[in-house]
Amino acid sequence: QAVVTQEPSMTVSPGGTVTLTCGSTSGAVTSGHSPYWFQQKPGQAPRTLIYDTSNKHSWTPARFSGSLLGDKAALTLSGAQPEDEADYYCLLFYSGTYAVFGGGTKLTVL
Amino acid sequence: EVQLVESGGGLVQPGGSLRLSCVASGYTFSSYGMSWVRQAPGKGLEWVSAIRAKDGRTYYADSVKGRFTISRDSSKNTLYLQMNSLRADDTAIYYCSKGGWGSVTDYWGQGTLVTVSS
Repeated sequence: QAVVTQEPSMTVSPGGTVTLTCGSTSGAVTSGHSPYWFQQKPGQAPRTLIYDTSNKHSWTPARFSGSLLGDKAALTLSGAQPEDEADYYCLLFYSGTYAVFGGGTKLTVL
Repeated sequence: EVQLVESGGGLVQPGGSLRLSCVASGYTFSSYGMSWVRQAPGKGLEWVSAIRAKDGRTYYADSVKGRFTISRDSSKNTLYLQMNSLRADDTAIYYCSKGGWGSVTDYWGQGTLVTVSS
């Protein structure tokens, strides 16, 4: 099974912008991988932020957006808030047979 | 309001079995795929298994294939994960989520802890 790669950690200033990426060892990430992004805070269950590359749920803050950037999926946070400090995971679906999470990015707002 | 409540976790010896349940409410259970995701202590999320709504097709990670079985009972609005031949590295919080193949993943349960140890 493929390996999904994410930055282990990133830091953003309050009010700043940061982009997290999600790559695949099997090649370019495309919309066919239906990229998802999840947010998880300590002691809590994950929360789905983005599905199918760029779609948001009703609870997803407008400052989060998803896209494809080069050969990766990307999650951009514009106008970071202290409450955005969390772990972020991407998920990719492969050939309709299995799915793989990335290792997660620990985002610090500082 | 959509709710997913997992149960069935606990302490089990290596080689043992356990069945997890996830009771769903607040939506038409039979119309949506469901998934299991786990998280070992201090580690990241790992996708485990999923079941499609329209035909019950199942999907598994290589790490659990042949040992775990996902199933659903729409009359009980319940998702199951039968776990056999458990190993120490199966120790994790197991989450169920609404969604997967053919369905958008949105809601998550709070998880149930499985500990495999002698």
